[in-house]
Amino acid sequence: DAKTTQPPSMDCAEGRAANLPCNHSTISGNEYVYWYRQIHSQGPQYIIHGLKNNETNEMASLIITEDRKSSTLILPHATLRDTAVYYCIVRLGGANQGGKLIFGQGTELSVKP
Amino acid sequence: GAVVSQHPSRVICKSGTSVKIECRSLDFQATTMFWYRQFPKKSLMLMATSNEGSKATYEQGVEKDKFLINHASLTLSTLTVTSAHPEDSSFYICSAVTATGELFFGEGSRLTVL
Repeated sequence: DAKTTQPPSMDCAEGRAANLPCNHSTISGNEYVYWYRQIHSQGPQYIIHGLKNNETNEMASLIITEDRKSSTLILPHATLRDTAVYYCIVRLGGANQGGKLIFGQGTELSVKP
Repeated sequence: GAVVSQHPSRVICKSGTSVKIECRSLDFQATTMFWYRQFPKKSLMLMATSNEGSKATYEQGVEKDKFLINHASLTLSTLTVTSAHPEDSSFYICSAVTATGELFFGEGSRLTVL
């Protein structure tokens, strides 16, 4: 079973920040939080991941609470092309940790003009 | 970045026939690949773990004789849907793991069984 809980859908105005929450209250100390997104009829695309510190890359920022039981993915300036299903997944990271991902239902983000 | 390619991207077949879908890691070697299926408006469901040089590991409820997986080289895994039926129509997606644990997904293959 998936170890994460996300709202099923969210709307965001184009140009505004999109904040997507995720609960992972049973996360283990050595598990990372990963975010992927899936645009309709395509394979999932990696966005960002983190262990306990906040992370930022060219796509998004990841804010992880101090107790690591929840996190928020932030798309700072959402565009129409960011409309997709966003999946929050916890998994072991690093070399030799495998790649078995268990997907939850994700959040369907609709960016509106 | 690393690329994982699936072929074909779309396939239509008649009921009762078998269909093979390929998953290739184009610029890295992958000892482990994964196969998922996805129904419309649903999330990805892990079907099996494909291990190079050994038998695949199937998730509970997935028929291994129905979904044959072969991982004969470090860059290629194949999924064969045998005796396909309309209920096998789905979006099939593979992923591959690099030596450093990075994970990349293919573009997906949409199977329609008439």
